[in-house]
Parts: sequence; C-alpha cells; structure tokens
Amino acid sequence: QVQLVESGGGLVKPGGSLRLSCAASGFTFSDYYMSWVRQAPGQGLKWVSYISSSGSNIYYADSVKGRFTISRDNAKNSLYLQMNNLRAEDTALYYCARDMFPKSRSGLPDYWGQGTLVTVSS
Amino acid sequence: EIVLTQSPATLSLSPGERATLSCRASQSVGSYLAWYQHKPGQAPRLLIYDAFARATGIPARLSGSGSGTDFTLTISSLEPEDFAVYYCQQRSNWPFTFGGGTKVEIK
Repeated sequence: QVQLVESGGGLVKPGGSLRLSCAASGFTFSDYYMSWVRQAPGQGLKWVSYISSSGSNIYYADSVKGRFTISRDNAKNSLYLQMNNLRAEDTALYYCARDMFPKSRSGLPDYWGQGTLVTVSS
Repeated sequence: EIVLTQSPATLSLSPGERATLSCRASQSVGSYLAWYQHKPGQAPRLLIYDAFARATGIPARLSGSGSGTDFTLTISSLEPEDFAVYYCQQRSNWPFTFGGGTKVEIK
C-alpha cells in the first residue's frame, strides 16, 4: 500500500535551516509529481512546493521562494525540502503528498503522510 | 493567486442531517475543484475531485457540484465519522490553493 513518511522536523531558531525528507513506498515513485503542503497552528492548508516526476519542473509559493528548495531522488524513492533562513511564520506541520495521476501535472494529492512538525522560535 | 472562500466557517448539525458546504473562487477554476476531509492528527483525505467525481472508497452520501466559481459539497445524511474540517482546493492555476475550511461539528 502507498506510504509516505516524513522526517526531519524540529525546533530551530529564526534564520536557521532544516531539511525535511519524505520516504515513499508502495508505488512507482518516479512516475508521480509530489508536493509539500503545510498547516500552521490553528490555520488551514497551504501549498509550499511542487515537483514534477523527473524533478525538472519545480514550483514554489511566493512566501518561500528563494529560501526553500524542493528536490527528489527517484533512486531512493525520496522527496526533500531544504528550508533556509527560517522565519517564525514557517512554523507548521509539513505534509508530503503524492499526486493522484501518474506521469501528469494534476495538482491533486490523493495520498498524504502524517506530517512532520517544524517550529521556528528563539 | 486564486482565492477560495468557504462558507460557513462552522456548521453545527446532528447525525442524520444534511450538510451543505460552499466554496467560491475569486476567478473561474473550470471544474478543477477538489474537496478534502481533515481530522485532527490524521492526514487529509481526498473526497471529491473535478467538482463531482468521488475518490476511491468515498460513499455516495457525499456529492459535489458546481463549476466556474461556485461549488458545493453535500453530505446527504451525516454519519458520526463525517464530523471534521472540510477544505476545497483548486488546481486550475499555480499556486494551487485551498479554502479556509468549514468545520462540521456535532450540534
């Protein structure tokens, strides 16, 4: 069955860095676009970044552009989010999610991980 | 950025009642509108995509309608497991966006 397991969250000071990972299993990872979506405390869902199946097409929310970098290693079935220059407003639960349709840019996540918590505080 | 506005923010209903949730887009998203259910401590669950198509395993009591800028999620008869937060989401344009959510709570 499809599984997505995020890791790498934690407490970091403003201006610091973290690298999130998402280990995928149960499907052909290299066939699917993948996303990072976050939920700040008490707030709704917000898309952070999106990457094509090959990694050649990448999209960022304006709020993280220039600070966050999404990447993937299809040989390791893994998705990453490198987060630099973190701010208090980046505090959130970060979800890794898989698109529903293989080999297409659908923007429709059908499987999600349980999330990893990032807290940015001094 | 396409803004999705959901209403009401909270819906207080009893099991067995009908729930009607609304999502309005700031510009047309065609039929590229999805609905998700989210419970505390769980991953979001895809319910409806492309305005009215049910995702795998979603019961028929949940239905979606609408196109362009106005969409509705209807739960015909609320079951105990339906009490949760519901989000609409558009995939028409990047950045893909979610609405602010509607909480369906037990009255």
